[in-house]
Amino acid sequence: EPEVTQTPSHQVTQMGQEVILRCVPISNHLYFYWYRQILGQKVEFLVSFYNNEISEKSEIFDDQFSVERPDGSNFTLKIRSTKLEDSAMYFCASSPSLAGGTDTQYFGPGTRLTVL
Amino acid sequence: RKEVEQDPGPFNVPEGATVAFNCTYSNSASQSFFWYRQDCRKEPKLLMSVYSSGNEDGRFTAQLNRASQYISLLIRDSKLSDSATYLCVVNRVVTGGGNKLTFGTGTQLKVEL
Repeated sequence: EPEVTQTPSHQVTQMGQEVILRCVPISNHLYFYWYRQILGQKVEFLVSFYNNEISEKSEIFDDQFSVERPDGSNFTLKIRSTKLEDSAMYFCASSPSLAGGTDTQYFGPGTRLTVL
Repeated sequence: RKEVEQDPGPFNVPEGATVAFNCTYSNSASQSFFWYRQDCRKEPKLLMSVYSSGNEDGRFTAQLNRASQYISLLIRDSKLSDSATYLCVVNRVVTGGGNKLTFGTGTQLKVEL
């Protein structure tokens, strides 16, 4: 069964450093997402991406964040200057198509980001 | 008011018990509804979609009441392997394409021998 993959599984970085989290969505999917989950808290939407553009972003997704689909398979989340409060699990998700708003999103296993 | 509200639990139940989870949502523009399951430090996994007519998948039954903005999940004959956090999730289509999922904080279930 096809699945979303993410690398690395755990990233440790110093405050102020740039990090890039990588995701390979399911191959025939058209819509891509990033979510984050701070330890002990709920999963929060960051951004949705379609047709090489951001379609929606949350208040969390400020100028320090960017997303890119550099080639036909990868989808990346970059944090330019990490803060302590960026420490969280970051989940990538993808969905196949717009189907009346009922489209299922499939989640990757996540990257645990620890900012020291 | 939280967008999606759930009782955090934990619900500790014996094997074989029936357990019910409830959820309310605030955005009447929400278009579709789901229950996801999340095991400790793992990704959310879709358990089932929720429809107004009610739907059943084996031991799991989900129900949606749009008028009262209320979603429920019933688990019958609970198994040890059902122990997890159950996430109530609402969805709306975003203008530029795709969907935005809004998650509740989750209800923790522990099934015991």
